[in-house]
Amino acid sequence: GAVVSQHPSWVICKSGTSVKIECRSLDFQATTMFWYRQFPKQSLMLMATSNEGSKATYEQGVEKDKFLINHASLTLSTLTVTSAHPEDSSFYICSAYRDSNYEQYFGPGTRLTVT
Amino acid sequence: AQSVTQPDIHITVSEGASLELRCNYSYGATPYLFWYVQSPGQGLQLLLKYFSGDTLVQGIKGFEAEFKRSQSSFNLRKPSVHWSDAAEYFCALNAGNMLTFGGGTRLMVKP
Repeated sequence: GAVVSQHPSWVICKSGTSVKIECRSLDFQATTMFWYRQFPKQSLMLMATSNEGSKATYEQGVEKDKFLINHASLTLSTLTVTSAHPEDSSFYICSAYRDSNYEQYFGPGTRLTVT
Repeated sequence: AQSVTQPDIHITVSEGASLELRCNYSYGATPYLFWYVQSPGQGLQLLLKYFSGDTLVQGIKGFEAEFKRSQSSFNLRKPSVHWSDAAEYFCALNAGNMLTFGGGTRLMVKP
């Protein structure tokens, strides 16, 4: 199957700072990538759809000024959590959508802890 | 709007026993359905998918699932569970290019 990487796999930051998470599609080009958030023992919650070369589409209730998404190339999308607070601590997972087989390929996730 | 329901939050089975995880969906068109597995602190791994054709689909790790349109179900099965199967399982439906996930079922395996 296709490979999607995320970096970093875990990060600890202080409250008020910003953190950038990278999502890379390693062996196919993805015009669409997705960012999810997962709380402990819960399902994945879609945060936003990242489209290459255009603005991301955010789900209702997700602050676009807090969670900045950039999809500058067909293999890279970034999520920046700005002015992070402890309540932003979570597991963030990205996926890349491959049009040819209608599948999303998931990254391994990034554990963010804000102290 | 589409939805996916996994009625069982937790399931415990003995190693070697058979397993069935339930998934029901609601969607106005022909669904593309997926089962994913997630180990703690990890991303999602695709077990199997249904797009069309044969309603019984085979996946990795000995899993299979059966699509039943009349029951709006896509239940996951395995004839003999191994301790390494303990994980969280998610059923998902593809609408357009977006996935709608069920709430997940946590599988625990007794020795």
